[in-house]
Amino acid sequence: QSVLTQPPSASGTPGQRVTISCSGSSSNIGTNTVNWYQQLPGTAPKLLIYSDNQRPSGVPDRFSGSKSGTSASLAISGLQSEDEADYYCVAWDDNLNGPVFGSGTRVTVL
Amino acid sequence: EVQLVESGGGLVKPGGSLRLSCVASGFIFSSNTMNWVRQAPGKGLEWVSSLSYNSNYIYYAASLKGRFTISRDNAKNSLYLQMNSLRAEDTAVYYCARAAHGPSTFDYWGQGTLVTVSS
Repeated sequence: QSVLTQPPSASGTPGQRVTISCSGSSSNIGTNTVNWYQQLPGTAPKLLIYSDNQRPSGVPDRFSGSKSGTSASLAISGLQSEDEADYYCVAWDDNLNGPVFGSGTRVTVL
Repeated sequence: EVQLVESGGGLVKPGGSLRLSCVASGFIFSSNTMNWVRQAPGKGLEWVSSLSYNSNYIYYAASLKGRFTISRDNAKNSLYLQMNSLRAEDTAVYYCARAAHGPSTFDYWGQGTLVTVSS
């Protein structure tokens, strides 16, 4: 049982906008920043969004992050076939004294 | 170019021990907090442990119950994870990851090393 809750799957056709939610609590998302990772099949995770809504260099601006209260979201606009991957949110948890990951969301491009 | 290369994984019997290593290059290793993150087969990511740049701050996932020990040797640009009393549920790919911008922001990851605990 993950501390952060994500939907197990999301899908869309090429060009569509897909949104992934990440629900937490006051001890994690409510007080700390959220990061998002993309994991392509058979590869290590890659940092996609940090500090709620910042993109590392090289990440397309099709990816955006937002946060409100104890929930966060990752949006993928202009969905492309190469976006098929697992996406994870993570935030520091003040009660557990460590980062907690979401359960992951598999994005499928139809 | 930042590189993190893990090694030391393999097959071990329940109750056994294993020591993982991660060699870093392409950045000033002694300036960064480093982490271990694992992923059981077909499952999600789970943070394991974090060690500050000067080894003054160490954190572990509560689920480990004192069985794992993280350490580093800045002179060798290396991070370690000593795993004792291994259980079947410790079977996973173990990733070494560099922290930046914050304690849960892992900006570079290694390719991972597979640990299989089985009799």
